Amino acid sequence: AQSVAQPEDQVNVAEGNPLTVKCTYSVSGNPYLFWYVQYPNRGLQFLLKYITGDNLVKGSYGFEAEFNKSQTSFHLKKPSALVSDSALYFCAVRGYNNDMRFGAGTRLTVKP
Amino acid sequence: DADVTQTPRNRITKTGKRIMLECSQTKGHDRMYWYRQDPGLGLRLIYYSFDVKDINKGEISDGYSVSRQAQAKFSLSLESAIPNQTALYFCATSDHRIVPYNEQFFGPGTRLTVL
Repeated sequence: AQSVAQPEDQVNVAEGNPLTVKCTYSVSGNPYLFWYVQYPNRGLQFLLKYITGDNLVKGSYGFEAEFNKSQTSFHLKKPSALVSDSALYFCAVRGYNNDMRFGAGTRLTVKP
Repeated sequence: DADVTQTPRNRITKTGKRIMLECSQTKGHDRMYWYRQDPGLGLRLIYYSFDVKDINKGEISDGYSVSRQAQAKFSLSLESAIPNQTALYFCATSDHRIVPYNEQFFGPGTRLTVL
């Protein structure tokens, strides 16, 4: 079955430092991978996706993600974190029925 | 995303009551989904609909039913609510008419508490 795993429940970084939120995937066939962000009392917002092509995908708000086939990973990155980046981040993979299979989420806290 | 609306935003009900959550979209998307979010579990798919006449069960459909009244409307019903259905419920839409691997757009969520 298509699935993703987010190994860290919580990530803490200082403002201005680079951040990484980790995601690994397990799929049959080609992976179609997504990152979403959830701010308090809000729905999920799409950040970026990998379908095919370049392994480095650029998305909204300065985020990017690196697709690594050999390590079956799709880590979310940002060169310089902002306090406003503090939120819950979800990795997801397209399922067999074109639904979305989500990871458990990683709470990012950026401290001033 | 204001293009996907959910009503009500919050609801407290009692065990055994019938509850309907409604979702409307103005994005013109063909596909609609219902998820529930529980802490530490991420989002899990309840039901999804590819068009008005195509409704499918998701990962956790037991205890739920849905109705796709129109392309723009997709409602979720709990026929007899139970406390472990207390969760945050999200509706989502996606457009697969042209590009098959599009992202989903989410409503603001409905917080449901079953006492």
